[in-house]
Parts: sequence; structure tokens; C-alpha cells
Amino acid sequence: GNSVTQMEGPVTLSEEAFLTINCTYTATGYPSLFWYVQYPGEGLQLLLKATKADDKGSNKGFEATYRKETTSFHLEKGSVQVSDSAVYFCALLRGAGSYQLTFGKGTKLSVIP
Amino acid sequence: DGGITQSPKYLFRKEGQNVTLSCEQNLNHDAMYWYRQDPGQGLRLIYYSQIVNDFQKGDIAEGYSVSREKKESFPLTVTSAQKNPTAFYLCASSEPGQGSYNEQFFGPGTRLTVL
Repeated sequence: GNSVTQMEGPVTLSEEAFLTINCTYTATGYPSLFWYVQYPGEGLQLLLKATKADDKGSNKGFEATYRKETTSFHLEKGSVQVSDSAVYFCALLRGAGSYQLTFGKGTKLSVIP
Repeated sequence: DGGITQSPKYLFRKEGQNVTLSCEQNLNHDAMYWYRQDPGQGLRLIYYSQIVNDFQKGDIAEGYSVSREKKESFPLTVTSAQKNPTAFYLCASSEPGQGSYNEQFFGPGTRLTVL
């Protein structure tokens, strides 16, 4: 079956530090990959996405590249801010026409001034 | 503004009572979803509906029920059969057929606490 594995948190960084949150997946076929962000007490917001191998998703300074050879979709940001403190979820959608997202367990990021 | 609303934000119920969580969307999306989130866990799919008057069980449907009588509404009932109902519940919607994926848009969630 499909599964998503994220690095366990919590992750605590100082402002302006470099961020990497690892995400690997197991899926048949060619899934689409997503990063969602959840700020405290809120629902999830789509941060970025990639729909095929070697695609790079980017948004708000965050980037992730769909690596089929390593089945990975690691999230990176060059310089984090206090406002980036949130829980980040990696997710996959199995293929065109599929309705079910499979989520990782989430990684909590805290950025301190 | 288009979006998804869930009400209430916080809900308290006594053990053994059924409770219904509201989810409304004005995005004109065909598909709607209910997820459950527990601390330290990812989201788990409870039910989803691809179209009005149709819905399917997700991974953890036991103890829950849904209806989809209108396109914009997808209420979730947490029944007394649900063994551990205290959780954060998230509703989402999507419009399938947009390219090779269907982005899901999430509501703000309802935190249910059973006393």
C-alpha cells in the first residue's frame, strides 16, 4: 500500500537557519506529492506540490524536488523565520483521478529568534 | 470569499452521545472529505464523497456516519460506537479532473472533546 515517512520532530531552529525536513514515500505508479503546513489551531494549507519526477515545487521560499530514484520529496528553506513555526505534512496522491491523500505523521518546526 | 467553514471550532459532549460536525463549502467542489487528526499522527481519512448522494468509507470509518444531500454540505456524525472520539476533525474539498491531481482545500477544523 501507499505510505509516507517523515523525519520525526520536533525540530527547533534559530531564525535564519537552513531547514530540511525529510520525506520518503512508498507507492505504486506515479503519485503526486505535496507539502502541507498547519499553523497552530488551524486547518492545513497547501504549501507546494510536484506531479512528476524531477519537478520542483516552490512557495514562500520553501522548495522540494520530486526524486523518483530515491522516492523522496524533502522540504528545504534557506533561511527560516519565526513565522514559519508550524507543523509540516508530506502527502501523496496515488494518481490521476485518485481521491485519497496519504499523509505522513507531520513534523513540528519551532523557530526561535 | 470562497472557502470551507466548519462549526463549531470547539465542541464538548458527554460520553455516549452522538454529535454532528458541520462542514460547508462554497467552492463548488464535487468531492468532500473528513479526516481525523490525533497528536503526533498524520491525518486519517474517515469518509469521502465524490458526488452528491454518494460516499465511501475511508481508513477509519467505524463509529462514524455521513450524508451528502447537497453539494455544499457534508456533515459528519460521531456516534456512541466510536471508542475514542476525542480528536481534531478536518473537512476538505476538491475538484477532481484538474490535470493529474486534485488539490484538497481544508477547513479550519473542529476540536471535539468527549467528557
